[in-house]
Amino acid sequence: KNEVEQSPQNLTAQEGEFITINCSYSVGISALHWLQQHPGGGIVSLFMLSSGKKKHGRLIATINIQEKHSSLHITASHPRDSAVYICAAFTSGGSYIPTFGRGTSLIVHP
Amino acid sequence: ETGVTQSPTHLIKTRGQQVTLRCSSQSGHNTVSWYQQALGQGPQFIFQYYREEENGRGNFPPRFSGLQFPNYSSELNVNALELDDSALYLCASSYERDSIFEQFFGPGTRLTVL
Repeated sequence: KNEVEQSPQNLTAQEGEFITINCSYSVGISALHWLQQHPGGGIVSLFMLSSGKKKHGRLIATINIQEKHSSLHITASHPRDSAVYICAAFTSGGSYIPTFGRGTSLIVHP
Repeated sequence: ETGVTQSPTHLIKTRGQQVTLRCSSQSGHNTVSWYQQALGQGPQFIFQYYREEENGRGNFPPRFSGLQFPNYSSELNVNALELDDSALYLCASSYERDSIFEQFFGPGTRLTVL
């Protein structure tokens, strides 16, 4: 069973700060998914990655397969980035069923 | 491209009742997964359907059942509702692409069991 841990659980920042959210998992994976969940529940897919690094606007996601660790970075954070960020790991071996972390709640103050 | 939709948005039931939640997949997607998200927790996998067949199941009792239709829309049925079934229920559709499923989530159905 894959254990997925996120840190920190809660994060408060001032507008403009650089944010890092971490995700670690216990067994080998084929891919990792970063998701954003706004109040009310809607989930938006941010990144799907299996190696290296991806960038989209102010968001950057990295993954280190050997260390079983991924990070999500937000540069120049903005109040509209306030949301819960969730990572989901797809275990290797042909299973496409993800295991989710509990999420990191981010609040960015103006 | 049509996104994933779910109905109803909110639902209130009482213990022992039965409920059916519905999900319409994104156009072109043949796989749908259902998740339960309790307050303050990450989503928990209930089951997945691929081309109308169950393709995997999480640690949920048999009173949680599902269907996928030929147009790839899906239903989640829960019988004998319990208070702990109160949660946000999410469906996500995907299409196998290079062996990695990128899932697209619906807005969820919030179920309250009284």
